Amino acid sequence: AQSVSQHNHHVILSEAASLELGCNYSYGGTVNLFWYVQYPGQHLQLLLKYFSGDPLVKGIKGFEAEFIKSKFSFNLRKPSVQWSDTAEYFCAVNAPSSGSARQLTFGSGTQLTVLP
Amino acid sequence: DTAVSQTPKYLVTQMGNDKSIKCEQNLGHDTMYWYKQDSKKFLKIMFSYNNKELIINETVPNRFSPKSPDKAHLNLHINSLELGDSAVYFCASRIGGAANTEAFFGQGTRLTVV
Repeated sequence: AQSVSQHNHHVILSEAASLELGCNYSYGGTVNLFWYVQYPGQHLQLLLKYFSGDPLVKGIKGFEAEFIKSKFSFNLRKPSVQWSDTAEYFCAVNAPSSGSARQLTFGSGTQLTVLP
Repeated sequence: DTAVSQTPKYLVTQMGNDKSIKCEQNLGHDTMYWYKQDSKKFLKIMFSYNNKELIINETVPNRFSPKSPDKAHLNLHINSLELGDSAVYFCASRIGGAANTEAFFGQGTRLTVV
């Protein structure tokens, strides 16, 4: 079964600092990759996704992520964070689970706190 | 229009009770999920339904049972609630069978067992 690792549990940055959140997955076949954001007290919302093509994908609110197949990574970046980016960020992988069923597996999440 | 809606948003109940959480999606998706988010924000998939058939059933206690009257609904019924069941439960849906689609999440149901 696939797994997703987010090594940064809690990241604290000042406004305007650059952000990079790590995500690594364990599945060796074709995968689809996602980053979701969960603002305090809210549900998960999609930030961006990678299915195929250009490994550098751009999402909403100035976020981008780069898929590096050789490193099994899909790191999230933003050049300049804002206080409103304070949230929990989840990396997710969509890969086969049992049989042909595909399962969306989430990493453990990274709490981002942006100080004003 | 709310794409994936869950009710109730908050649920406080005593140990031993039986409760249900409802989920409805108006996106026409084929696959619906239930996730449990614990106090450390970890998201664990519990169930997945595709065209009313259970296709993923993770190792959750059999006190938890998903019920899907039609493909737009996936309710979660919990028997004999325990303290450890306290968590936020998220319903989600996506186009079934297609790998390159994202899941849409409901607002979550915060369950507190006292």
